[in-house]
Amino acid sequence: RKEVEQDPGPFNVPEGATVAFNCTYSNSASQSFFWYRQDCRKEPKLLMSVYSSGNEDGRFTAQLNRASQYISLLIRDSKLSDSATYLCVSGGSYIPTFGRGTSLIVHP
Amino acid sequence: NAGVTQTPKFRILKIGQSMTLQCAQDMNHNYMYWYRQDPGMGLKLIYYSVGAGITDKGEVPNGYNVSRSTTEDFPLRLELAAPSQTSVYFCASTPGTPYEQYFGPGTRLTVT
Repeated sequence: RKEVEQDPGPFNVPEGATVAFNCTYSNSASQSFFWYRQDCRKEPKLLMSVYSSGNEDGRFTAQLNRASQYISLLIRDSKLSDSATYLCVSGGSYIPTFGRGTSLIVHP
Repeated sequence: NAGVTQTPKFRILKIGQSMTLQCAQDMNHNYMYWYRQDPGMGLKLIYYSVGAGITDKGEVPNGYNVSRSTTEDFPLRLELAAPSQTSVYFCASTPGTPYEQYFGPGTRLTVT
């Protein structure tokens, strides 16, 4: 049973575009949420934590909707260097649940 | 502060051989994890540990064993390697919920 669902993509967007990813989770007891970035053949790295009030870090904005059990990631003014896979994570206990990831390709 | 380190970076094993993947962290984290990631797929949890002397199975533990004798080290043992164990193995640690996980650079294992 999949607990965290993501659209695998790929999302293929031009530089400068705004792109949004959603992720749904099934564990209503989840207390912490994160977005990770994973480059090809590299380890996942934390992009940002997701708080109930939403949070923003430069061009990246994350939102949490507990009622509908989804989190979102918005990337504004996409750069070529944003090309990567974005992993959604929910954690209700000491075992976080990772989504399969959404692939983003930003082209010139 | 090196974070999470893994050795080796790459390894080729013959079917039936055994090996140990090493993982160490210097952040004094209690929680440590082993994942495998097959091409184009998500992370699958193999084993995890909530502290020295305590380990438990994850989603795909068959063919693997772990030990946690110290807070810093969490080695993963492959016995009788099989082609199905060809994968990238990541070790991770965290101080606990609700904190994020820190990943090592991974070990790329091929079993032929």
